[in-house]
Amino acid sequence: DAGITQSPRHKVTETGTPVTLRCHQTENHRYMYWYRQDPGHGLRLIHYSYGVKDTDKGEVSDGYSVSRSKTEDFLLTLESATSSQTSVYFCAISGGQGASPLHFGNGTRLTVT
Amino acid sequence: GENVEQHPSTLSVQEGDSAVIKCTYSDSASNYFPWYKQELGKRPQLIIDIRSNVGEKKDQRIAVTLNKTAKHFSLHITETQPEDSAVYFCAANYGGSQGNLIFGKGTKLSVKP
Repeated sequence: DAGITQSPRHKVTETGTPVTLRCHQTENHRYMYWYRQDPGHGLRLIHYSYGVKDTDKGEVSDGYSVSRSKTEDFLLTLESATSSQTSVYFCAISGGQGASPLHFGNGTRLTVT
Repeated sequence: GENVEQHPSTLSVQEGDSAVIKCTYSDSASNYFPWYKQELGKRPQLIIDIRSNVGEKKDQRIAVTLNKTAKHFSLHITETQPEDSAVYFCAANYGGSQGNLIFGKGTKLSVKP
């Protein structure tokens, strides 16, 4: 399995608080992604990174920001958590962009109360 | 817009029967079509993928077919087993090799012993 670690695995937070999720990889892959998974919606891309300090928005980026200061770490921040951001968040890595397989982390279950 | 339609949303088969899941895409530049399997509470894992220069690909009991003209691709599982029970996601890259993967909403496959 690809070396991807997400932390925390579970988190409960209150509406309006900031939250940061971490993805750490040991594969030295250039591309890293954050997806959210919700029932009936499948996997939706939030943000992605194509290199250190190089990031771009996905299809559901509102209310989220990301940072990548090192190849191995990709952080997702919910600036002011809302109940609609209750979801399971998956980090993924890839050696290439759209024509390469994604390898997913184990996910973070976030509950916003 | 960017969209991958996946059908059916649920599928129930008897052990030993075949299962077929179909997906359609709209971007003629799409050239990579992976399939992921997600068991309950686990991460999505790549099971097979196909590129646009190939019409069919097989790996033991699973196969994927691609019809570029009609813009659809299908997953075929033969001789289904209870351990095939999971949610299956198709995906396509929008914008070609420099685009990101867009996922279908998933098919929950149940294989009855």
